[in-house]
Amino acid sequence: DADVTQTPRNRITKTGKRIMLECSQTKGHDRMYWYRQDPGLGLRLIYYSFDVKDINKGEISDGYSVSRQAQAKFSLSLESAIPNQTALYFCATSDHRGFTDTQYFGPGTRLTVL
Amino acid sequence: RKEVEQDPGPFNVPEGATVAFNCTYSNSASQSFFWYRQDCRKEPKLLMSVYSSGNEDGRFTAQLNRASQYISLLIRDSKLSDSATYLCVVNPSGSARQLTFGSGTQLTVLP
Repeated sequence: DADVTQTPRNRITKTGKRIMLECSQTKGHDRMYWYRQDPGLGLRLIYYSFDVKDINKGEISDGYSVSRQAQAKFSLSLESAIPNQTALYFCATSDHRGFTDTQYFGPGTRLTVL
Repeated sequence: RKEVEQDPGPFNVPEGATVAFNCTYSNSASQSFFWYRQDCRKEPKLLMSVYSSGNEDGRFTAQLNRASQYISLLIRDSKLSDSATYLCVVNPSGSARQLTFGSGTQLTVLP
């Protein structure tokens, strides 16, 4: 079984709809992240959380919100989706006790906003 | 200037070739460095960390040049399975443990 899972894997929605992307992990890591990937732009950090009570904005948080429901769960919401939020979204985890800053990624959610 | 810059490629090389990728970073205080590999439509996965003294893992060698602020990845004896996008990744801030990703270099190894 995958250590980091994301649901849904693919989603097509319409402008103005509210969308939630979910991420779960069984790695026991305390830190979780949401990124989006667009062609030619690499991965950009949306939000990150260092523990259940900690939420931080990343590089491109406008139009997004997050919830850390438990150590193992971190969800990303688009309150009113717009077409330029069409992208591949990745969740990632890391362990602050780790020797390095290695992040482990989920399989991604491909979101299309029409 | 982007924080992490890579040549996007694509690099098309024959099997068995040696190929090298370079990456530059803008923050001289950056603490840690990595190469990740990303297959088409898949998640990025850690290929190797990059240490100041340079490090090797089988056919892969990573080097760091702090004075010039660049990182390199050398792949020897390329295999078809090496075809992927290689992401240069930098932690610019050390303690915060956030990562900044380059946009990737695409490699295709041809039979």
